[in-house]
Amino acid sequence: DAKTTQPTSMDCAEGRAANLPCNHSTISGNEYVYWYRQIHSQGPQYIIHGLKNNETNEMASLIITEDRKSSTLILPHATLRDTAVYYCIVRVPLAGGGADGLTFGKGTHLIIQP
Amino acid sequence: DADVTQTPRNRITKTGKRIMLECSQTKGHDRMYWYRQDPGLGLRLIYYSFDVKDINKGEISDGYSVSRQAQAKFSLSLESAIPNQTALYFCATSDHIGKEAFFGQGTRLTVV
Repeated sequence: DAKTTQPTSMDCAEGRAANLPCNHSTISGNEYVYWYRQIHSQGPQYIIHGLKNNETNEMASLIITEDRKSSTLILPHATLRDTAVYYCIVRVPLAGGGADGLTFGKGTHLIIQP
Repeated sequence: DADVTQTPRNRITKTGKRIMLECSQTKGHDRMYWYRQDPGLGLRLIYYSFDVKDINKGEISDGYSVSRQAQAKFSLSLESAIPNQTALYFCATSDHIGKEAFFGQGTRLTVV
């Protein structure tokens, strides 16, 4: 799996957009970018994933650069409940096309300030 | 009810004891996983299973064993617990398409 680099921590004001960067310069052509978050010792929660196109869902947007060496997760209107550790994971799905065996690094601790 | 349920939620056990952590899911998913998380670190994969006849070792399987009793149940055993197995343990599931994994609420295990 390609390694990822994320800032250790970030602050964002409530109501503003939170932009979380992730570098994955060694990503290969068939590796997907996944984002999960973990709110204080709870089970991680899936946010979004993508291969090369930008993606948006009800939680967030994922912007992947054209060379796919980095990506940004955007939370458009951050709330206090978005305070969590955010994990960027790059992974080739195992046989069958599943998001299997996710490898979680240390992630970015996002703190939303009131 | 939660889609992925782990029992117990908290457990303190003594060194050398055998302990089993249980996981059940109502998602109807084929794939199940066990992870551990140590303070300040990310999650590491212990074992995973693609169906009831399939068991695979993850990154840190030494000292652990698993049993897939049914599609909905996947248990993790520590045959002889040791203090460095003190951690937060998570079970997860995904379907065969697997765009996302669903995690349980975790089991906090302390080995004294």
